[in-house]
Amino acid sequence: GAVVSQHPSWVICKSGTSVKIECRSLDFQATTMFWYRQFPKQSLMLMATSNEGSKATYEQGVEKDKFLINHASLTLSTLTVTSAHPEDSSFYICSGADSNQPQHFGDGTRLSIL
Amino acid sequence: GNSVTQMEGPVTLSEEAFLTINCTYTATGYPSLFWYVQYPGEGLQLLLKATKADDKGSNKGFEATYRKETTSFHLEKGSVQVSDSAVYFCALGGLNFGNEKLTFGTGTRLTIIP
Repeated sequence: GAVVSQHPSWVICKSGTSVKIECRSLDFQATTMFWYRQFPKQSLMLMATSNEGSKATYEQGVEKDKFLINHASLTLSTLTVTSAHPEDSSFYICSGADSNQPQHFGDGTRLSIL
Repeated sequence: GNSVTQMEGPVTLSEEAFLTINCTYTATGYPSLFWYVQYPGEGLQLLLKATKADDKGSNKGFEATYRKETTSFHLEKGSVQVSDSAVYFCALGGLNFGNEKLTFGTGTRLTIIP
């Protein structure tokens, strides 16, 4: 089946630094990738949708300048949390999809900002 | 707009018990329906799907039938195991399969005790 790899799985960093999270589709070409945020014991909140080669579409209330998304190829999308602060600490999950596949999710990245 | 209402958890069952997790939806048109499972500290895995009315999705002993007349997609398993302990999400998507946003339910935490 379709596999999406997300890296890193866990990152701890100081407040004010930027953190990049990678999402790769390993055995299919993900024309669309989605980025979600999940708070403890809650459902997934869609942050943005990105299509290869074009700008991401952000959900209402998500800061574009804070959460930079790049989808430069059909197998790679990145989320950069810029100038991270403790309130950005969360579990971030990506998914990849194409017209023939439902969304397949990465294993998530647990981000802790000190 | 689209919405998914999912059975509130947590649900605790004994091993080999019968499981039902209710899911109903509101949508325009004819959505695709999904069940995803999330194990602790991991991303979501697609458990099963159905793309049209009366379709039955099945996987690993789990089943769900797309009921248009009751707008439901209840998840069932005849005999649960300890390894089924996880959070289960019902989700609704569009006809363009993976390239459209998913609307998730709130998730149901399932614990199976030996």
